Order: sequence, then structure tokens, then C-alpha cells
Amino acid sequence: DSGVTQTPKHLITATGQRVTLRCSPRSGDLSVYWYQQSLDQGLQFLIQYYNGEERAKGNILERFSAQQFPDLHSELNLSSLELGDSALYFCASSVTGQGVAEAFFGQGTRLTVV
Amino acid sequence: DAKTTQPPSMDCAEGRAANLPCNHSTISGNEYVYWYRQIHSQGPQYIIHGLKNNETNEMASLIITEDRKSSTLILPHATLRDTAVYYCIVRVARGYNKLIFGAGTRLAVHP
Repeated sequence: DSGVTQTPKHLITATGQRVTLRCSPRSGDLSVYWYQQSLDQGLQFLIQYYNGEERAKGNILERFSAQQFPDLHSELNLSSLELGDSALYFCASSVTGQGVAEAFFGQGTRLTVV
Repeated sequence: DAKTTQPPSMDCAEGRAANLPCNHSTISGNEYVYWYRQIHSQGPQYIIHGLKNNETNEMASLIITEDRKSSTLILPHATLRDTAVYYCIVRVARGYNKLIFGAGTRLAVHP
């Protein structure tokens, strides 16, 4: 158990809908990362937050947005969902967003868009 | 961040050492080498990292060449549970920077 909690574990929704994925980082970790992993694809970095502020951005679609709240949990919002958004979404946390701190990953949310 | 090159797949017999190579010939002096692994659809797991000295922990050893252009992750006694995709990542150890995963090496440990 990495200490990073992601909910829900599974989510099935229809095209055009909007969903919110939630991540609770390890206790004491200030930085949160979001990743997308499509079937047979690599891990694609989406976005990173540190203590509530966005710090790094990957190829995140405009239909996707994220935020980190004062209690340090983070949410990833996916809207106008398309079939191609079906994927595993991972959240990771680290003590800091910089330096050599290793990242700890949650078990992911499997999103299926039908 | 420097790019890395890893073989797409490797096999290893259970109980033997698994040596996973990584080439990072464009690495710069302030970049660390990290290794993570992902066991079938689970969240990636941190294994080890290093700058220039060899490192060892309870999971593995990391051997970095003197010129730092390549490294090898060693699993001393591979078990079936070590079957996973192993990612070698080079990352600057300052500033807010992304942890970028490549394709990795798919290690199959067989009986």
C-alpha cells in the first residue's frame, strides 16, 4: 500500500458526460501528479500541483482540468468525454514537487466511456 | 530531461539475477537516474535512484557507469512477482519537473 488513495476504482460513463476523479496523497506529501494510461499505452503525464498551485503541465486536454485543495487532496475533472478517454488514471504524490523525492502512486481509477 | 533507451523486453529465470540496462548518453551533471516498475495495471512503484554512485536497497541495486551514460538495475534473485514493466527515468533534481515515463522494459520471470 503506497498510502495514496484514489476513488473511485472503476467508473463507467457515457460519451459527453463529465466525471471527477479524486486523489488523497500520502500524509505529509505536498505534491500531486496525474497520469493517464490508455490500453497498451505508456504513462502520459497530465499535470502536477504543489501545495495548491499548478507547477508543471503535460499534454492535458482542454476538456480536462484539475485542482489541489487546501487539505491537499486533488481532483481531476474530465468533461465532454469521448471513447478515447477510456483509460487508467493514476495519481501520485511526493513530499516535494522538486528535488530527488520519489513519487508514490495510487492504484488508479479505471474509466470506461461507452 | 535526458532521454533514455531500454530494451523492449527481457526474460529471466526465477532465482537468477535480472540485469536491466538503460542508456542515457545525453544525461547532464544535475540529472538523477530513477527506476520504477509497473506490475500489470497497478500503479507504478518506485524502486531506486542514484546520481553517480552505485546504490542498493532492499529491492535492487543500481549500477551507474563512471561516465554516467548508462546504468543497470539489478534484481539479485528474481521471483515471479518481479514480472513487470521497468522504467528508467532521468530527471533534474531541482525545480518543479515532470516525471516522464518512456516505454520501459517488459521483464518476464519464468519458472
